[in-house]
Amino acid sequence: GQQLNQSPQSMFIQEGEDVSMNCTSSSIFNTWLWYKQDPGEGPVLLIALYKAGELTSNGRLTAQFGITRKDSFLNISASIPSDVGIYFCAGQYTGAGSYQLTFGKGTKLSVIP
Amino acid sequence: DVKVTQSSRYLVKRTGEKVFLECVQDMDHENMFWYRQDPGLGLRLIYFSYDVKMKEKGDIPEGYSVSREKKERFSLILESASTNQTSMYLCASSHGQEETQYFGPGTRLLVL
Repeated sequence: GQQLNQSPQSMFIQEGEDVSMNCTSSSIFNTWLWYKQDPGEGPVLLIALYKAGELTSNGRLTAQFGITRKDSFLNISASIPSDVGIYFCAGQYTGAGSYQLTFGKGTKLSVIP
Repeated sequence: DVKVTQSSRYLVKRTGEKVFLECVQDMDHENMFWYRQDPGLGLRLIYFSYDVKMKEKGDIPEGYSVSREKKERFSLILESASTNQTSMYLCASSHGQEETQYFGPGTRLLVL
């Protein structure tokens, strides 16, 4: 199947710092989604993006749908300890069945108080 | 709020046992999915279903089967569990043509 390249794989940051992670694909995507997974839990949707160039915020989180439709980034500003977890990008690419998503392998975020 | 529940948070089974993982969603979603999550490999799609009694293979269906007898319930079956099926299993659901999937809390399965 299609693959998403998500980077970085892991990050250690100081509380209060800003964080940036991104996903790229060789295929054009129609939709980009960003999820967060707390330890021992299922992923929870953070932000959904549906149009190329779209920039969307959710509190301290900001995500953008790349203009080429092949990439997306997620920024977290002023990180706090509860931001710890694994962040996944997911997308639906042109030509996929309407029901399927392709997931990145995740960015594991650790926040040092 | 969308609620997706999974029957067990933790399971320990022996090699060769038949294992049932149950998933229920309460939002009348048409589509349901089973993934497994392993370190370094991310989420991999096992099976999905877009209607009652319908099922489609995902990327890694070998060693698994599924059942969707009711719209709200999607079961994953390991016919004869093996140690390489030790993993975190995640169920998800989505509505119609919408892409957004909502996940359950996961079942961590250990096969000894």
